[in-house]
Amino acid sequence: AQSVTQLGSHVSVSEGALVLLRCNYSSSVPPYLFWYVQYPNQGLQLLLKYTTGATLVKGINGFEAEFNKSQTSFHLRKPSVHISDTAEYFCAVSDRSQGNLIFGKGTKLSVKP
Amino acid sequence: DTGVSQNPRHKITKRGQNVTFRCDPISEHNRLYWYRQTLGQGPEFLTYFQNEAQLEKSRLLSDRFSAERPKGSFSTLEIQRTEQGDSAMYLCASSLGQPTDTQYFGPGTRLTVL
Repeated sequence: AQSVTQLGSHVSVSEGALVLLRCNYSSSVPPYLFWYVQYPNQGLQLLLKYTTGATLVKGINGFEAEFNKSQTSFHLRKPSVHISDTAEYFCAVSDRSQGNLIFGKGTKLSVKP
Repeated sequence: DTGVSQNPRHKITKRGQNVTFRCDPISEHNRLYWYRQTLGQGPEFLTYFQNEAQLEKSRLLSDRFSAERPKGSFSTLEIQRTEQGDSAMYLCASSLGQPTDTQYFGPGTRLTVL
C-alpha cells in the first residue's frame, strides 16, 4: 500500500529565508507525486506535480521540488519565502492506474516578518 | 471555468439524521473524487467516478455512505444515520480523466454531527 510521510507538522521561518518541506513516500512502483497548498479558509490548490521526465519540477509562486527515486523523497523548497506563503502544505501520491490521491498529514508553514 | 462548487458549505445535524452533499465539477471533467478531511489530517480518499460509473470505493466508505453521479455531471454524497465520528470536511475534486491530470478541489462541506 502507498503512504506518505511529511516530517514536521509545523515549520516557522523568517521572511526571505529558504524553506524546505520534507516528503517521503512508500510505494512498490514509482508513483505520481504532488504538492498541494491550502491557504486559510480556501480550498486545496496544486503547487506542482511530477509524473515523468525531469526530476526537478518547478511550480507556481517560486516553489520547486525534486523527485529522488533512491531516497523515495519529493521535498519542496523555496529559496526566499514571503509572508503570503503562510499556509498548510500537503504532499500526495497516486498510483499510475487509479489516480486517487493519498495525502500526508500536512505541514503548516508560518512565515514571520 | 467557474471551478468546483460544493453545497452546502456547512451542515450541522443531530446524530442519527441523514445528510446529503452536492458537488458540481468543472464542466467537461470526466473524473470526480470525494475525500474526507478531519482536523490535523490530510484528506483521505473515499470514492471516485469516471463519468457516471463509480470505479473505486475506499474501505473508509461504510455502508452508511452512498455516492452517485447521475448522467456524469454533478455528484451527491449521502450519509445515513450520521454518527459523531462523521464530523469532518468533505471535499470534492474533479479532473479531465487521466491519473496524471490535475485534480481541482472545491471549497468543501463542513459537517458537524451533534
